[in-house]
Amino acid sequence: QSVLTQPPSASGTPGQRVIISCSGSSSNIGSNIVSWFQQLPGSAPKLILYSNTQRPLGVPDRFSGSKSGTSASLAISGLQSEDETDYYCAAWDDSLNAVVFGGGTKLTVL
Amino acid sequence: QVQLVESGGGVVQPGRSLELSCTASGFIISGYALHWVRQAPGKGLEWVAVISYDGSKKYYADAVKGRFTISRDNSKNTLYLQMNSLTAADTAMYYCARDTTSGYSRYDYMDVWGKGTTVTVSS
Repeated sequence: QSVLTQPPSASGTPGQRVIISCSGSSSNIGSNIVSWFQQLPGSAPKLILYSNTQRPLGVPDRFSGSKSGTSASLAISGLQSEDETDYYCAAWDDSLNAVVFGGGTKLTVL
Repeated sequence: QVQLVESGGGVVQPGRSLELSCTASGFIISGYALHWVRQAPGKGLEWVAVISYDGSKKYYADAVKGRFTISRDNSKNTLYLQMNSLTAADTAMYYCARDTTSGYSRYDYMDVWGKGTTVTVSS
């Protein structure tokens, strides 16, 4: 059971907007920044959002993030077939003195 | 080119030990905290440990506390993970990752990841 809670799956059709949620608590999301990672099959995770809403260079602006209280979300607009993969949220947890990850969301593009 | 390269993985018997290394290139690790993250086959990401820029602060996941030791040699630009008393539950791909902070007072996020090294614990 992961400390951060993500839906195990999400789906959308090409061009649609999909939102993936990440729920935590006051000791992690509530008091620290959230980052999001995309992991293609057989590859290392890739940072796609940091500091809740910021995109690294090279990440399309179709990817956006938000945070409110103890929850965060990743939105992907203009869904493309190449977006079909796994996504993880993460944050530092002040009570555990640990990085906590969500369980991951498998995104399917129908 | 900023890069992390893990090595040292392999097949090891239960109860035995293994040491992983992570060598950085394109940047000097002495300014950064460094993490180990693992992923069991078909499972999600699991954080393992973090070490501050100077090695003075170390934190571990409960699952590895007392068995794994994270360390670093800034003169060699290398991070290590000593793994003892290994069990089948430790079978995973192990990634090293750079934090954007030094780890002096906080940890933020991992911006650079290696490609990983595979550890299989099996008799």
